[in-house]
Amino acid sequence: EPEVTQTPSHQVTQMGQEVILRCVPISNHLYFYWYRQILGQKVEFLVSFYNNEISEKSEIFDDQFSVERPDGSNFTLKIRSTKLEDSAMYFCASGSLTEAFFGQGTRLTVV
Amino acid sequence: AQTVTQSQPEMSVQEAETVTLSCTYDTSESDYYLFWYKQPPSRQMILVIRQEAYKQQNATENRFSVNFQKAAKSFSLKISDSQLGDAAMYFCAYRRGTNAGKSTFGDGTTLTVKP
Repeated sequence: EPEVTQTPSHQVTQMGQEVILRCVPISNHLYFYWYRQILGQKVEFLVSFYNNEISEKSEIFDDQFSVERPDGSNFTLKIRSTKLEDSAMYFCASGSLTEAFFGQGTRLTVV
Repeated sequence: AQTVTQSQPEMSVQEAETVTLSCTYDTSESDYYLFWYKQPPSRQMILVIRQEAYKQQNATENRFSVNFQKAAKSFSLKISDSQLGDAAMYFCAYRRGTNAGKSTFGDGTTLTVKP
């Protein structure tokens, strides 16, 4: 069964450093998303991506964040100058019009 | 804006019994999808079941079924013959049907299964 794959599974970074979270969506999906879940809190939408551009973004997705689909398969989330409060589980999802599937998540710890 | 409410932070069920998790949502859209996701301790998000708003028939997936009440904007999940492996956090989610928009999640319900 096809699945969304995220790497790394766990990333530890120092405050102020840049991180890139990677995702390989399901191959025939056209819609891509990033969500985050701070420990003990609900899942929050960050950004959606369709047709090689951002289709929607939340208030959380400020200039610190960017997304890219550099090679037609990978979908990346870059966080510049990480802050302690960026520590969270980051989920990539890919979807069709009728459903969305999530990757296993990347646990980001900023120290 | 769409909102999703799960009014039960925690639920417990005896193994082999049936449990129902509640979810209500608010939207002005007519075309949308509703989902239940399971999040075990590994924190992976696993799709359990999906319901299209235009379908009157309630979705079922093996031991999992939903009670979709569109007029009441209610979408509950019933787990029959509960198993120890069902223990997890369960999230209800809403997704707009047009342009495959973002999913909006509820706060989650932690389900404990007692042996």
